[in-house]
Amino acid sequence: DIQMTQSPSTLSASVGDRVTITCRASQSIRNWLAWYQQKPGKAPKLLISQASSLENGVPSRFSGSGSGTEFTLSISTLQPDDFATYYCQQYDCYPYTFGQGTKLEIK
Amino acid sequence: QVQLQESGPGLVKPSETLSLTCTVSGGSISTYYWSWIRQPPGKGLEWIGYIHYSGSTNYNPSLRSRVTISVDTSKNQFSLKLTSVTAADTAVYYCARLGTVGGTPFAHWGHGTLVTVSA
Repeated sequence: DIQMTQSPSTLSASVGDRVTITCRASQSIRNWLAWYQQKPGKAPKLLISQASSLENGVPSRFSGSGSGTEFTLSISTLQPDDFATYYCQQYDCYPYTFGQGTKLEIK
Repeated sequence: QVQLQESGPGLVKPSETLSLTCTVSGGSISTYYWSWIRQPPGKGLEWIGYIHYSGSTNYNPSLRSRVTISVDTSKNQFSLKLTSVTAADTAVYYCARLGTVGGTPFAHWGHGTLVTVSA
């Protein structure tokens, strides 16, 4: 299985900050990487596919980059609605696997 | 806008079979790939497997011996059966839609249903 490792596990930030979350794959997944946002008690929401392609309706302050084994999710100007847990997921190989999550907390 | 809704028992006894159904509305189950994903309380996400509307399946090897996913196109539903459950199978179970080809992310999700394994 491809292991997905996110860092940090927890990130404390303030409204207006720029933050970056990193996701590393144990082998190359080309650009077959998705990012999801999950709020407590809710299903994950797809934000970005193919490493950098923003889904319809997702604010432009979200951006993704990377290829191969290293990827990043950036949020340019944190808004109150952005405090949530973020997961990366590879869909290059079966079984599909997720990172362990990064909890973005209000500082 | 496609909507997915999980249904099934919220409590299952150890060693028994967990059975869930996902009902798809706002679109046809045909053409797409459909998946089950689970999340133990306070933990991360685990992909269980997928089914194509044609009936082809792919399961996570970690669960393959206990999992069956089936589809009923006439009812616009697909289902999950997980046998010989233990407390480790306690989780929120989500159904989700992928794309029209393999190798796509989970674009649409149900709200999830908590299944507790306990005597």
